[in-house]
Amino acid sequence: AQSVTQPDIHITVSEGASLELRCNYSYGATPYLFWYVQSPGQGLQLLLKYFSGDTLVQGIKGFEAEFKRSQSSFNLRKPSVHWSDAAEYFCAVAGGFGNEKLTFGTGTRLTIIP
Amino acid sequence: GAVVSQHPSRVICKSGTSVKIECRSLDFQATTMFWYRQFPKQSLMLMATSNEGSKATYEQGVEKDKFLINHASLTLSTLTVTSAHPEDSSFYICSALNRGGGEKLFFGSGTQLSVL
Repeated sequence: AQSVTQPDIHITVSEGASLELRCNYSYGATPYLFWYVQSPGQGLQLLLKYFSGDTLVQGIKGFEAEFKRSQSSFNLRKPSVHWSDAAEYFCAVAGGFGNEKLTFGTGTRLTIIP
Repeated sequence: GAVVSQHPSRVICKSGTSVKIECRSLDFQATTMFWYRQFPKQSLMLMATSNEGSKATYEQGVEKDKFLINHASLTLSTLTVTSAHPEDSSFYICSALNRGGGEKLFFGSGTQLSVL
């Protein structure tokens, strides 16, 4: 069965600093990987996804993520965070084309300090 | 882009009553929708897969008689929490699958259910 681990429950960074959120997955084949952002009391917004091809994927709001098969990782990065980036971030994995059921990690709460 | 509307956004009900949550795909047909629940400070857990015109598929441990899912049309799935109890208080989110080209999975904005 597929699984996702987000080791960091809560991260605090200064506005303008760089950010990296960690995500490790477990899946027997090439996974479909996603990063979502959730603001308080809101649904989920897709930041980016990886299906195949270039392992460095660009998303919205200046985010990017890199798929590293050897490390079973899909870490999310942003070179310079903005106060509006404060939210909960979820990494998710799907079992491949035709299996759109997502398994989510436990999330990482991002706090931005001035 | 494609939009999924979820209603209501927030509901408070008395213990023992039933609550219906609607999930609508506004500009695409969704033969498949998913229902998740999220407890405070926890991740989203898939409850069931809703298939238009057929019975929903429930994940292990989810009571199908308590969480009734109906997907009677290509744009609407409903989740009814029957005989709600305080432990059912949670954030419920739906997602709809667009089998057309481009982006595939779209999430609703969620429903915060509080059972008194």
